[in-house]
Amino acid sequence: GESVGLHLPTLSVQEGDNSIINCAYSNSASDYFIWYKQESGKGPQFIIDIRSNMDKRQGQRVTVLLNKTVKHLSLQIAATQPGDSAVYFCAENDGNNRLAFGKGNQVVVIP
Amino acid sequence: EPEVTQTPSHQVTQMGQEVILRCVPISNHLYFYWYRQILGQKVEFLVSFYNNEISEKSEIFDDQFSVERPDGSNFTLKIRSTKLEDSAMYFCASSEAAGELFFGEGSRLTVL
Repeated sequence: GESVGLHLPTLSVQEGDNSIINCAYSNSASDYFIWYKQESGKGPQFIIDIRSNMDKRQGQRVTVLLNKTVKHLSLQIAATQPGDSAVYFCAENDGNNRLAFGKGNQVVVIP
Repeated sequence: EPEVTQTPSHQVTQMGQEVILRCVPISNHLYFYWYRQILGQKVEFLVSFYNNEISEKSEIFDDQFSVERPDGSNFTLKIRSTKLEDSAMYFCASSEAAGELFFGEGSRLTVL
């Protein structure tokens, strides 16, 4: 079935609670980072981005935090809704016009 | 809202056959990409294309693969002789500049 081979870290969160998804990136030369959301059977959908000259950026219900010292990126989703259930990928751009995606985190929202 | 469109949504082919996956990027975008995602795994970069030539490609993008922009709107990925391990979702993406990529819904390729 669809779940064969799928071994993603999974975050289960109650509807209305906040979610935090973490990502470690590998390339210290990366200067641009993006969080993507992927629903089952669909392509990655842009959520929010951040450049390396910033450490925090806020969008609508989402906040991205960047810690360049430890090469860590996080995505915070406020007041999680059922529609937020998806796999979330961080991606880094090292300036060579290509994105390197992380392994993904599954978020399951419990109504 | 403008979007990247891909066809076919699903293609089943025999090993050794040629496959062409088609993409229509967002009209004012200048950078085009192909990525693939093997079931249950992360999205992997294949190739980027700008100014009618490949600007970057990964080690996955070997001689079996080619890309083309045959006219002003389409961007195609050709796999010359498919292998079982080519089975994956193939995503086309485009961007206005080096930055935010917009992805299509993907083409699922199944090689038997």
